[in-house]
Amino acid sequence: GAGVSQTPSNKVTEKGKYVELRCDPISGHTALYWYRQSLGQGPEFLIYFQGTGAADDSGLPNDRFFAVRPEGSVSTLKIQRTERGDSAVYLCASSLGSGANVLTFGAGSRLTVL
Amino acid sequence: GEDVEQSLFLSVREGDSSVINCTYTDSSSTYLYWYKQEPGAGLQLLTYIFSNMDMKQDQRLTVLLNKKDKHLSLRIADTQTGDSAIYFCAESLTGGGNKLTFGTGTQLKVEL
Repeated sequence: GAGVSQTPSNKVTEKGKYVELRCDPISGHTALYWYRQSLGQGPEFLIYFQGTGAADDSGLPNDRFFAVRPEGSVSTLKIQRTERGDSAVYLCASSLGSGANVLTFGAGSRLTVL
Repeated sequence: GEDVEQSLFLSVREGDSSVINCTYTDSSSTYLYWYKQEPGAGLQLLTYIFSNMDMKQDQRLTVLLNKKDKHLSLRIADTQTGDSAIYFCAESLTGGGNKLTFGTGTQLKVEL
């Protein structure tokens, strides 16, 4: 597509529920990134895919967080047993993965855990 | 480890120049970036600079890099009300894969 598309744009859930956030990157971008942005903070790295594999998942906070990119395009970030502290905007970005590695970001998915 | 810091707020009058500063601690940066975030919107890349450059100019934007002091700045000439936003600097590191580490963001307010 023309840009990075993220769905849903807003998600409200209850503590303990399971959530999936979807990212559709720019066509042809091999690299895909998930970041989390809390209120008043800069984006924090979660995980990075090169193709289908997770090249770096060092930013995932714990084992409740998991992400997949089975066909090397669309990615899903999955959060189990959500906690109030998971409330944030989850940003997805994609890039060609080389050179200056310019990341193009989506508008984000705002997650609120009640 | 990586640590990227910025001042939280900057207020300027329309038509003046704005200078937004950023410091980083890791000397193995390869590229440094400036992103703009408007309310409710995603991050928009403004410009970037390779770490072996000192300066880059792009229309109203001038990026200065002092690698010795690990200091990066973004100058916006003739600042307009549409420039009001949060500005983030970010770095990518040699051997750090392709991920970017972002600063805390500087909120720029442009007053008439």
